[in-house]
Parts: sequence; structure tokens; C-alpha cells
Amino acid sequence: EAGVAQSPRYKIIEKRQSVAFWCNPISGHATLYWYQQILGQGPKLLIQFQNNGVVDDSQLPKDRFSAERLKGVDSTLKIQPAKLEDSAVYLCATWSEGVDYTFGSGTRLTVV
Amino acid sequence: RKEVEQDPGPFNVPEGATVAFNCTYSNSASQSFFWYRQDCRKEPKLLMSVYSSGNEDGRFTAQLNRASQYISLLIRDSKLSDSATYLCVVRGSGGYNKLIFGAGTRLAVHP
Repeated sequence: EAGVAQSPRYKIIEKRQSVAFWCNPISGHATLYWYQQILGQGPKLLIQFQNNGVVDDSQLPKDRFSAERLKGVDSTLKIQPAKLEDSAVYLCATWSEGVDYTFGSGTRLTVV
Repeated sequence: RKEVEQDPGPFNVPEGATVAFNCTYSNSASQSFFWYRQDCRKEPKLLMSVYSSGNEDGRFTAQLNRASQYISLLIRDSKLSDSATYLCVVRGSGGYNKLIFGAGTRLAVHP
């Protein structure tokens, strides 16, 4: 079974620029999560999708972050404009009944 | 108060040592509990689930105390390859299986 694919692996941008991350989940996994992991901290949930609907975005900074999951498959997470404190690894994960949570390799964002 | 709290370490131990990690969680309605392992610059991976009856997987033993809202992980006969960050994880009480992570405890096993 293919894993969760994320791209790009690394991204360096200047503050106030925009950036987008992409996630291709495991086929058939209806639940998709975006987590933010700042250095030295555990992953923090940003947004959770069930198919293409948002079920939890309570910790998403909506003034600058947005996410979508078109057709309940691939998902994109966007930051516009980026701040220095957005430097982190952005992890995509999927879940399905009877299957362990599966994380992608993440996108490491550095904002300078 | 953080929802999941762990001692950040680092724990520096020699090969063969026994080391224990502790974790507390704040939501008494939490339903499932896990330990994840995260290697440097890698994604978290499930190490083991944690049950009230306690469970063991080779050199690893996990324990849950619901009354105290306390989770533990014991690693016996530490190997160099055990060096990693160990994340205590709680599945929320609501629907949709959200995972809540502790900040992690770093373990360094040296020769």
C-alpha cells in the first residue's frame, strides 16, 4: 500500500511571501489531517477533513492559513502571508478504521 | 495547562540500561493512548498502543493509569538504535479520532 505523499520536502521563503503544501493521502482514507510541528514540540493539529468537509479547524490561524481538500482526495495547505513563527514541519496524516494513523514525510518550511 | 505533558529530557543512558518515560494527560474523557517514536527529521511512527491492563512488546512495556491520568513507557536493555524522541499521544474524546501529542522526550543511548 502506498503511503502518504507530501511535497515539497523543503521550502525556504521570505516573510510575507506565500507558500503552498500538497498532500496525496492513502487511497480510500476519508480522514485527513494537517499538523504543524515546531522544533522541540510535538505535532499540533491545524485542520481535519472528513472526505472534503472540514470537521475541526479550531487551531488553524485563519487570517493567514487556508486548506482545502477537493473531491475528498488530495489536499493543499496554504500560508499567506508567512511569518517567521510559521517555520516548522507541516505533516499530513490520514486515518481509516482498522488502520494505523499514517503520516507523510512532511514539508520543512523555513521563513527568513 | 497542556493537554499532554511529558518530561522533555534528554535522557542520556548507556547501552543495556533500563529507562522509563512518564506522561500525564488532562482530559479524563480521553479514550485511547499511544506512544509514538520520532527519529530526527522523520515523521512520527506508532511504537505501541497503551492499555489499562498494561502491554508489552519485546523490550518495551507501556502502562496506563486512568485514575491518575498517567501513562508510562519502560524500555529495557536499551540499544543504540532506541535513540529517538518518544511522543506520548492521546486520542480525543470527541469524534473523528484527533490525536493530541505531547512535546516528546528525547532519548540518547550511548556505547
